[in-house]
Amino acid sequence: SQQGEEDPQALSIQEGENATMNCSYKTSINNLQWYRQNSGRGLVHLILIRSNEREKHSGRLRVTLDTSKKSSSLLITASRAADTASYFCATLRNSGNTPLVFGKGTRLSVIA
Amino acid sequence: GAVVSQHPSWVICKSGTSVKIECRSLDFQATTMFWYRQFPKQSLMLMATSNEGSKATYEQGVEKDKFLINHASLTLSTLTVTSAHPEDSSFYICSARKPGTGGVDGELFFGEGSRLTVL
Repeated sequence: SQQGEEDPQALSIQEGENATMNCSYKTSINNLQWYRQNSGRGLVHLILIRSNEREKHSGRLRVTLDTSKKSSSLLITASRAADTASYFCATLRNSGNTPLVFGKGTRLSVIA
Repeated sequence: GAVVSQHPSWVICKSGTSVKIECRSLDFQATTMFWYRQFPKQSLMLMATSNEGSKATYEQGVEKDKFLINHASLTLSTLTVTSAHPEDSSFYICSARKPGTGGVDGELFFGEGSRLTVL
């Protein structure tokens, strides 16, 4: 079963606006990761936040993690048309070299 | 970043035939690779964990006799969809961790995916 659940499932915004996507998960985690997928392509790693971190930044990306609520958010500031993609949160199934379990994803459309 | 390559990127086959998809780690050795399947507008679902030199570990509900996985070397894993049917049409994506990048719980590097269409 899916570990993470993202909302919204789809988001459409104007270029320059901020986009916020949320993710909830069910079990305890070591870290939570966000990935981006352009249509019909593989996934690209965006950012990893560890369970002892509350917020992390990378360029126009800001990720928060609330382990008490088992939730995370991804904020993309000053969005661009090129940010149009699907965004997934993912958590490790177990510790170690184990697979990631992905949420359902948010399809973001940034309109120029 | 690390590079994981998949081939073919797309394939169309007739029902009943078998299709092999290759996944290569180009600049690192991967003892473990993961195969995912993704249906349109859905998330990635883990199919199996491919272990170099040993049998793959399949997820519940994934038929190991239908989806044959071979991990014969540290840089190559193959997924063979045997006797493919239209319901097997999907986007298949492999991934692996590059040793040393953030530790064993670090990011996964993904291939570009292989789109299978079974007529």
